Amino acid sequence: EDQVTQSPEALRLQEGESSSLNCSYTVSGLRGLFWYRQDPGKGPEFLFTLYSAGEEKEKERLKATLTKKESFLHITAPKPEDSATYLCAVQNAGNNRKLIWGLGTSLAVNP
Amino acid sequence: SQTIHQWPATLVQPVGSPLSLECTVEGTSNPNLYWYRQAAGRGLQLLFYSVGIGQISSEVPQNLSASRPQDRQFILSSKKLLLSDSGFYLCAWVPLGRDNEQFFGPGTRLTVL
Repeated sequence: EDQVTQSPEALRLQEGESSSLNCSYTVSGLRGLFWYRQDPGKGPEFLFTLYSAGEEKEKERLKATLTKKESFLHITAPKPEDSATYLCAVQNAGNNRKLIWGLGTSLAVNP
Repeated sequence: SQTIHQWPATLVQPVGSPLSLECTVEGTSNPNLYWYRQAAGRGLQLLFYSVGIGQISSEVPQNLSASRPQDRQFILSSKKLLLSDSGFYLCAWVPLGRDNEQFFGPGTRLTVL
């Protein structure tokens, strides 16, 4: 069964303290892996799509990487405005209409 | 520009009452459209998706239904709400050429009392 597991569930960092969020997945043929950011009370905001192992994408302080079993979202020198829940989802190559979602990592960055 | 709208933003309804949530997309044609529910600690649950007018795929058997009367309009309905229908309802769409990169609306917070 296709599955996505995100860890940790919650993470608290000091401003400037770099860290990584993990997204482990089991899927019968990966078509794509997606990262989203969600602020409280709002819809998720698209960040990145990764398609193959070894691929990396960057946006400001965020960098996403992909292996055959997991993806990491690296946050370099975070700021308080990076506080949000980060969601990971995968797309099965056999069913390209739907995404399988993880439960997210809640990130809090203290000033 | 391409935008997605949902309304209402918040809704409080009694158990047994009907429901109608609306989602519209501007600036595109023939998008794939999705309805999700997000409950605390349970992640995003796909409810329905649509690849065209009148074409609805249901993912979870329940007392909810969806309709797509126009190309850029997606409606989520219920005849009789249950307490368990409370949650944050999100509409999403996939722009042409973006594979399955889904873009979300602002959401509707539904509380059933």
